[in-house]
Amino acid sequence: AQSVTQLGSHVSVSEGALVLLRCNYSSSVPPYLFWYVQYPNQGLQLLLKYTTGATLVKGINGFEAEFKKSETSFHLTKPSAHMSDAAEYFCAVSAGTGGFKTIFGAGTRLFVKA
Amino acid sequence: DVKVTQSSRYLVKRTGEKVFLECVQDMDHENMFWYRQDPGLGLRLIYFSYDVKMKEKGDIPEGYSVSREKKERFSLILESASTNQTSMYLCASRTQGNTEAFFGQGTRLTVV
Repeated sequence: AQSVTQLGSHVSVSEGALVLLRCNYSSSVPPYLFWYVQYPNQGLQLLLKYTTGATLVKGINGFEAEFKKSETSFHLTKPSAHMSDAAEYFCAVSAGTGGFKTIFGAGTRLFVKA
Repeated sequence: DVKVTQSSRYLVKRTGEKVFLECVQDMDHENMFWYRQDPGLGLRLIYFSYDVKMKEKGDIPEGYSVSREKKERFSLILESASTNQTSMYLCASRTQGNTEAFFGQGTRLTVV
């Protein structure tokens, strides 16, 4: 069975500062990992995904994440926060034959201060 | 672009009513999902369907049912709405396998 833990339900950064959102997963088989972003009153949209191959994954809007198998982590980073990055971010894992279930973390709300 | 459309953005229903939430996708995806989203709990899977007329219970199916008569449409049914079903409901679709999901805009349901 898979699970996802996002450390910190709220993260606050200043504009221009580094963004780091933490995600740890549990999976008995090689996982596929995703980060989604949700803006107020919207559905989720994909930021980036890890399937196989290169462990550093680049996504939209300057975000990237690194898959670290030894640490079972998939943390999301952005070098310089922008006001428009304020949103809720969800880490998700999908694994196993067919991969029918995608399991989501509880979410981290990012606040960006001017 | 993939489009997943949920029939309503906001709904207010009375306790005991039968409620239908509709979701349509236009990319011929095999898999479709219904999640509910509550603060601090993330997204919890209610039901999913991996093909027409096929359905599987997710983690919180109690009080819900689903219907998938056509590939593009996946309906969530609240048999008898209760106040604890007040929530944001999100529909998603994807191709087979461990691929990313595409989400609708969500339906915010209030049961009074």
